[in-house]
Amino acid sequence: EKELLESGGGLVSPGGSLRLSCVASGFNFNSYAMNWVRQAPGKGLEWIASLSDVGGTKNYVDSVEGRFTISRDNSVNTMYLQMNYLTVEDTAMYFCAKRAVRGNYWFFDLWGRGTQVTVSS
Amino acid sequence: DIQLTQSPPFLSASVGDRVSLTCRASQAISTYLAWYQQKPGQAPRLLIYASTTLQNGVPSRFSGSGSGTLFTLTISSLQPEDFAVYYCQQLNSYPLTFGGGTKVEIK
Repeated sequence: EKELLESGGGLVSPGGSLRLSCVASGFNFNSYAMNWVRQAPGKGLEWIASLSDVGGTKNYVDSVEGRFTISRDNSVNTMYLQMNYLTVEDTAMYFCAKRAVRGNYWFFDLWGRGTQVTVSS
Repeated sequence: DIQLTQSPPFLSASVGDRVSLTCRASQAISTYLAWYQQKPGQAPRLLIYASTTLQNGVPSRFSGSGSGTLFTLTISSLQPEDFAVYYCQQLNSYPLTFGGGTKVEIK
């Protein structure tokens, strides 16, 4: 069965750092671009970062550019999100999502259950 | 950045009702639009991609339409398990943005 499992969330002070992990199973991880999407408490979904299948192309939303770094290790089927200089606005559930492609079309067809990040003093 | 505006933000309906949710893009995105369903405490679930294509395993009561700037998700006969929040997402260009969601509630 195809699955994504996030970990690494927790409580951190403003200005602190965390590294999230997303372990994939049940599919050819190194064939797919991967993404991080977050959801603040009671709010909607926000895409924050994408990484191509071999890790050569990265994209970020402006609010995290320069603070967060997306990466992957295809040898262990794992994607990471290094988060530095965290602020209270980064408090959210963080989901990883697999990007599928059909012809010219992309979509996120597999999601993890999320890991909670809380930034508070 | 492309903004997606979903309407209505809340929708109260009964089992068996036909409901339509709208997603409007701030600029044309062809048919590079997906719809997701999210239930409380769960991850989003893909329903439709490329504006109209039903994801494998999704019931046929769900359908999508639209192109350019105006898109619609229709549920032909609302079932108890359909009460959830629905999000549209544009995948035309980065940043990949989501709409604010429509919460479908039981009347």
